[in-house]
Amino acid sequence: GDSVTQMEGPVTLSEEAFLTINCTYTATGYPSLFWYVQYPGEGLQLLLKATKADDKGSNKGFEATYRKETTSFHLEKGSVQVSDSAVYFCALNAGGTSYGKLTFGQGTILTVHP
Amino acid sequence: EAEVAQSPRYKITEKSQAVAFWCDPISGHATLYWYRQILGQGPELLVQFQDESVVDDSQLPKDRFSAERLKGVDSTLKIQPAELGDSAMYLCASSLAATQGGEQYFGPGTRLTVT
Repeated sequence: GDSVTQMEGPVTLSEEAFLTINCTYTATGYPSLFWYVQYPGEGLQLLLKATKADDKGSNKGFEATYRKETTSFHLEKGSVQVSDSAVYFCALNAGGTSYGKLTFGQGTILTVHP
Repeated sequence: EAEVAQSPRYKITEKSQAVAFWCDPISGHATLYWYRQILGQGPELLVQFQDESVVDDSQLPKDRFSAERLKGVDSTLKIQPAELGDSAMYLCASSLAATQGGEQYFGPGTRLTVT
């Protein structure tokens, strides 16, 4: 079945450091890929998405590129801020008979220190 | 900005009791989802509605869980009887339609603790 695997966490960085959170997936066909973020006490928010191979999603300084050859969608940011501290989830929507269902990874906790 | 509303935000119940959660999606969103998020894991879909019809409840433990969306607007998820393993965050999400690339909007969730 469809699945998403994220790098083990938690991740702790100093402000202005470079961030990479790895995400790989298994799916039949051509899924759409998403990164959602969950700030403390809040619901999940869409951070960025990509719907086909080689697409790059970007938002708030975060980027991720849909790599079909490596089945990956790694999240990157060049300079993190304390306000980026949150839990980050990689997810896919396989389409077809999955309708709109999202399949999530286990989440990666990011803590950024001043 | 329109948001998905959920209540209650927190619920503590004893095992074998009944519990219910309510969700009001963004106005005009035809598709509504209930996800369960166990601590330290990603959300997993329990049930999906298109208007008032269930389109996917394959992961819903039907012996104890039920969900309804009678008028195709707000929705209720019920657990009866609750078990210790049901302790989790229950998230509601909505979208305009069930498309592959479409965004789902999540509510703040209901954190359930079963004692």
